[in-house]
Amino acid sequence: EVQLLESGGNLVQPGGSLRLSCAASGFTFSSYAMSWVRQAPGKGLEWVSTISGTGISTYYADSVKGRFTISRDNSKSTFYLQMNSLRAKDTAVYYCAKTFPLWSSYYGTFDYWGQGTLVTVSS
Amino acid sequence: EIVMTQSPATLSVSPGERATLSCRASQTVNSNLAWYQQKPGQAPRLLIYGASTRATGIPGRFSGSGSGTEFTLTIASLQSEDFAVYYCQQYSNWPPITFGQGTRLEIK
Repeated sequence: EVQLLESGGNLVQPGGSLRLSCAASGFTFSSYAMSWVRQAPGKGLEWVSTISGTGISTYYADSVKGRFTISRDNSKSTFYLQMNSLRAKDTAVYYCAKTFPLWSSYYGTFDYWGQGTLVTVSS
Repeated sequence: EIVMTQSPATLSVSPGERATLSCRASQTVNSNLAWYQQKPGQAPRLLIYGASTRATGIPGRFSGSGSGTEFTLTIASLQSEDFAVYYCQQYSNWPPITFGQGTRLEIK
């Protein structure tokens, strides 16, 4: 059974930093891309970032580029989102999502999601 | 950036009836389209990918169709557990991956 467990969400002041983690189990972690998708309170879904199975390729939404960094540790079946220079607009539930692999015709589809972790940016 | 537009914003349907949700892309995405269901307080769940392929464990009453710029999610004979928000998402030309704004399916 695929399981994704996010952690690290918290209340942080504008300009601050936070690191989210997502621990995965139930599949061969290194074979799959992984992504972060966020949802502001009462709003829709917004893709944030994706990392390939090897970690070589990373992709970011323009809204977070230069401030957020995605990474992974395949030995721990865990990936991360380092968030710096946080803004009020970054307030959201952050979901981690297993993503179809690079070699798949469906690369970019999110087939399993974690339950989310809440990041609140406020003074 | 490909903009995804869903209609209607809210759809009211009676249990047992059919629901038809629409999604339009600002440029062709071929068949690189997915649909997700989200219930209150829960994570989204993948329903359809490749525009028409049901994900693992998704009941046969859910079907997807379309290609290019026009897509439809059809839910035949609505069950009580189907009332939720539905999102379409394109993965044709990314980054960025983009979602529609969602359609809320409510009980009539």
